[in-house]
Amino acid sequence: IQMTQSPSSLSASIGDRVTIACQASQDITNYLNWYQQKPGKAPKLLIYDASYLQAGVPSRFSGSGSGTHFTFTISSLQPEDIGTYYCQQYESLPVTFGGGTKVEIK
Amino acid sequence: EVQLVESGGGLVKPGGSLRLSCAASGFTFTNYAMTWVRQGPGKGLEWVSGISGSDSNTYYADSVKGRVTISRDNSNHTLFLQMNSLRVEDTAVYYCAKDKALFLDGTFDLWGQGTAVTVSS
Repeated sequence: IQMTQSPSSLSASIGDRVTIACQASQDITNYLNWYQQKPGKAPKLLIYDASYLQAGVPSRFSGSGSGTHFTFTISSLQPEDIGTYYCQQYESLPVTFGGGTKVEIK
Repeated sequence: EVQLVESGGGLVKPGGSLRLSCAASGFTFTNYAMTWVRQGPGKGLEWVSGISGSDSNTYYADSVKGRVTISRDNSNHTLFLQMNSLRVEDTAVYYCAKDKALFLDGTFDLWGQGTAVTVSS
């Protein structure tokens, strides 16, 4: 299953609402996760099952969607949110990741 | 402390072998599937292999099938990845990750810091 993210990069101001799109090549119902990877660090799970916030993750992060179209949102961008965000499907093996969206501060 | 610590990476010539290890602590290792994910230089994430918690069913990406073996030692809370016939394109940081479930669910809620593998002559 191919996962396509857009945009590949974005630049936004502190406090801005940021939205990332992820499209699956076939129906994956809600088997979709979002990860954050800060520079030089391991990925971190933020959202699972398309819309559930992982424990300890700030509520400014959210996810939505089902089927083939999904959205990840940061409601108010903070300086510590810089990094690359990946969607990942787990409807079937091999699990596959999107190409990533690099988020920078304007 | 709940953590995963990888080791075993390094520089190896094409055709060579490496064995990666991942030491787990702070959680009941036997109760969770484990996986390896890699990231090539400047590239995205690629799932490599996974293993279930109790019955140790194994799964592999096509890119490594036949060259890689995943295993686990539940008594010592350690995950392994034996890599043979290494290719230049296997160069990457290899992360071990814990699954949320006993069987390979595909949601990875804890990651190690990664170990770098470089395949070069």
